[in-house]
Amino acid sequence: EVQLVESGGGLVQPGGSLRLSCAASGFAFSSSWMSWVRQAPGKGLEWVANIKHDGSEKHYVDSVKGRFTISRDNAKNSLYLQMNSLRAEDTAVYNCARDLRGYTSGIYYYYMDVWGKGTAVAVSS
Amino acid sequence: DIQMTQSSFSLSASVGDRVTITCRASQSIGNCLNWYQQKPGKAPKLLIYAASSLQSGVPSRFSGSGSGTDFTLTISSLQPEDFATYYCQQSCSTPRTFGQGTKVEIK
Repeated sequence: EVQLVESGGGLVQPGGSLRLSCAASGFAFSSSWMSWVRQAPGKGLEWVANIKHDGSEKHYVDSVKGRFTISRDNAKNSLYLQMNSLRAEDTAVYNCARDLRGYTSGIYYYYMDVWGKGTAVAVSS
Repeated sequence: DIQMTQSSFSLSASVGDRVTITCRASQSIGNCLNWYQQKPGKAPKLLIYAASSLQSGVPSRFSGSGSGTDFTLTISSLQPEDFATYYCQQSCSTPRTFGQGTKVEIK
């Protein structure tokens, strides 16, 4: 069974740090792009970051650049999100997702077909 | 960044209705458009990718169309399990922006 399971969420003070993990199983993790997506309470979805299968390419939304770092360990089938300098507006449920890639008419497109259930992060004093 | 705008925050419909949700990109994105369904307390579920390709296992009453800047998700006959929030997302470039979501509610 294809599965993603997040862990590492919790309550942290503003300015603090947290490391989220995502354990993958049932598919070729080392061949897959992966993403983190978050959802603040009562709000919509926000894509946070993604990483190429070999870790050689990473992208971030502007609001987390310089504070969050996405990484992976293909030997452990695991994805990570290191979150530093946390702010109240980072409070959200964080989901990891598999990011499949297709190609048509000269353009690569991506879609997230498998999602974890998420881990909740609360930033508050 | 590419901005994604869904035409309505919510809509009311009855079981059996044909429902259309629209999404507009701030610039042309070809067919790099995905649709997701989310129910309360659950992770999003992929419905449509590349604007019109139906994800495996998704009922055929869901369909997607459009290209460039204007896209549509259609539910041909709304079922009780379809009451949820629907999000479009562009995947041509990073950041992979989502629309604000459209909540489909029971009329």
